[in-house]
Amino acid sequence: AQSVTQLDSHVSVSEGTPVLLRCNYSSSYSPSLFWYVQHPNKGLQLLLKYTSAATLVKGINGFEAEFKKSETSFHLTKPSAHMSDAAEYFCVVSFLTGGGADGLTFGKGTHLIIQP
Amino acid sequence: GAGVSQSPSNKVTEKGKDVELRCDPISGHTALYWYRQRLGQGLEFLIYFQGNSAPDKSGLPSDRFSAERTGESVSTLTIQRTQQEDSAVYLCASSLDQGPNSPLHFGNGTRLTVT
Repeated sequence: AQSVTQLDSHVSVSEGTPVLLRCNYSSSYSPSLFWYVQHPNKGLQLLLKYTSAATLVKGINGFEAEFKKSETSFHLTKPSAHMSDAAEYFCVVSFLTGGGADGLTFGKGTHLIIQP
Repeated sequence: GAGVSQSPSNKVTEKGKDVELRCDPISGHTALYWYRQRLGQGLEFLIYFQGNSAPDKSGLPSDRFSAERTGESVSTLTIQRTQQEDSAVYLCASSLDQGPNSPLHFGNGTRLTVT
């Protein structure tokens, strides 16, 4: 069965320092991968997606993620954290070629805290 | 352009009452999802609509929950005889199609409080 694991429920960094949010998946198939961000009292917003093209994907707000098949990982990074990055981040994996609800798996989320 | 719209944004109801939550997806999006998010938790899948196919109701937690969608437009999620455990944010999302490369576009959610 497919699964996605966000390794940290909370990550705290100082403003201006790098951010690393970790995501691992398990699957027999080549997945499509997404990172979403959720600010307080808002819905989820797409940050970036990997769909079997370039393994290093650049998203909005300076975030990027690298797909590493050998490590089954899709970690989210940003060189320099900003206070506005404080939010909940979700790693999402889509496994089936047909997509749909069965093929879409959400991680439990990582709460990113930015210290001034 | 217009995104996914959900109404109401907040709903407070008494235990035992029925509530109806509405979702207007992005025009042209064939796929529509409902999720539940309890305080401090991740997303819990409820139901999925794709075009005119039979919906995937596998995530509905009980028979008090039901949802409908008219064609490829508005969807309503109905919770009958609400319980305090139903208190959560209910998120709706739509996507262009059911392909694995289609990202979800989320509404801002309806925050349901059952007193």
